[in-house]
Amino acid sequence: AQSVTQLDSQVPVFEEAPVELRCNYSSSVSVYLFWYVQYPNQGLQLLLKYLSGSTLVKGINGFEAEFNKSQTSFHLRKPSVHISDTAEYFCAVSEGGSEKLVFGKGTKLTVNP
Amino acid sequence: NAGVTQTPKFQVLKTGQSMTLQCAQDMNHNSMYWYRQDPGMGLRLIYYSASEGTTDKGEVPNGYNVSRLNKREFSLRLESAAPSQTSVYFCATSADLIAYNEQFFGPGTRLTVL
Repeated sequence: AQSVTQLDSQVPVFEEAPVELRCNYSSSVSVYLFWYVQYPNQGLQLLLKYLSGSTLVKGINGFEAEFNKSQTSFHLRKPSVHISDTAEYFCAVSEGGSEKLVFGKGTKLTVNP
Repeated sequence: NAGVTQTPKFQVLKTGQSMTLQCAQDMNHNSMYWYRQDPGMGLRLIYYSASEGTTDKGEVPNGYNVSRLNKREFSLRLESAAPSQTSVYFCATSADLIAYNEQFFGPGTRLTVL
């Protein structure tokens, strides 16, 4: 069965600093990988997704993620964060052909001035 | 376009009461989903519907029922609410029941069961 582990529940950073949010998954078959963002009191919206091809995926708001099959990881990065990036970030996985997404427990990113 | 709308936004129930959470979408999507979000637990799938007239259980279906009324609407019913069902409920839609289709989420319903 597939599972998703987000290694940090909270990540505080200063504005304009780089950030990496870590995500590892377990699956014995090919997977599709997603990062979603949830701003306070809102629903989730898609940041980026990996389906196949290039392992470096670029998303909205300057975020990018790298798929590493050997390490079963899909870490999210941004070179310089803004106050407005304060939100909760969820990594999600679906096994190839499955209709269901399995979400990690989330990482709360707090960007301080 | 409103996208995905959910009503009500907030609700407080007493143990044993029943209620229905409503979800509607104007995106002409085939697939719809109900999730619950609990602190430190991420999102867990309750039920989903691949198309009008079909529903299937997700990870945590116990205590819930659903109805796919038509292509636009997917409701979630709690027949006898319990404190363990205190949560934030999200409805989501996708164009088709294929894993790589983006899911679009509503703003959520915050439910408290006393």
